[in-house]
Amino acid sequence: EDQVTQSPEALRLQEGESSSLNCSYTVSGLRGLFWYRQDPGKGPEFLFTLYSAGEEKEKERLKATLTKKESFLHITAPKPEDSATYLCAVQEVDYQLIWGAGTKLIIKP
Amino acid sequence: EPEVTQTPSHQVTQMGQEVILRCVPISNHLYFYWYRQILGQKVEFLVSFYNNEISEKSEIFDDQFSVERPDGSNFTLKIRSTKLEDSAMYFCASILLADTQYFGPGTRLTVL
Repeated sequence: EDQVTQSPEALRLQEGESSSLNCSYTVSGLRGLFWYRQDPGKGPEFLFTLYSAGEEKEKERLKATLTKKESFLHITAPKPEDSATYLCAVQEVDYQLIWGAGTKLIIKP
Repeated sequence: EPEVTQTPSHQVTQMGQEVILRCVPISNHLYFYWYRQILGQKVEFLVSFYNNEISEKSEIFDDQFSVERPDGSNFTLKIRSTKLEDSAMYFCASILLADTQYFGPGTRLTVL
């Protein structure tokens, strides 16, 4: 069965304390892996798309990487405004997105 | 910057009533999607729509659900007879081609 698993479920960090979120996946055919940010009561906000193992993308304090089995979202020197739930979704060859449950990130000042 | 919009932001209805959730996708996009997210749970795919017809649908999208693109801009999700378990956030998304899906802000549906 195709699956996307995110860990940890929740992560509390102090402002400035860098860390990484994990997204592991088992799908039959990967077209792309997507990272989204979701604030409470809002729709997912697109962050990155990764298509092949070894690919990396960066945006401000965030960096996403991809291997054949997992992706990491690295957060460097986070600020309180980075607090959100970070969602990973895998797109299969039929273009459907399979979603992980998300990691709730809390950055304390 | 173009964005997906959804109305209403919150819909409260009685069990058994029909509801229509509305979405205006980004104007030049070609593929449209509906997802739902029950509070505290994963985002779940409902249906995808392309060229005025359903291209994929999930097991959740049963005969009580329907989608329509009544004109060149709106994309609607209808639930014919709502159940308590239909209470969720419903998100619309659109893409130009087979790439990044852009999401609307969602409609919170509460079924009493």
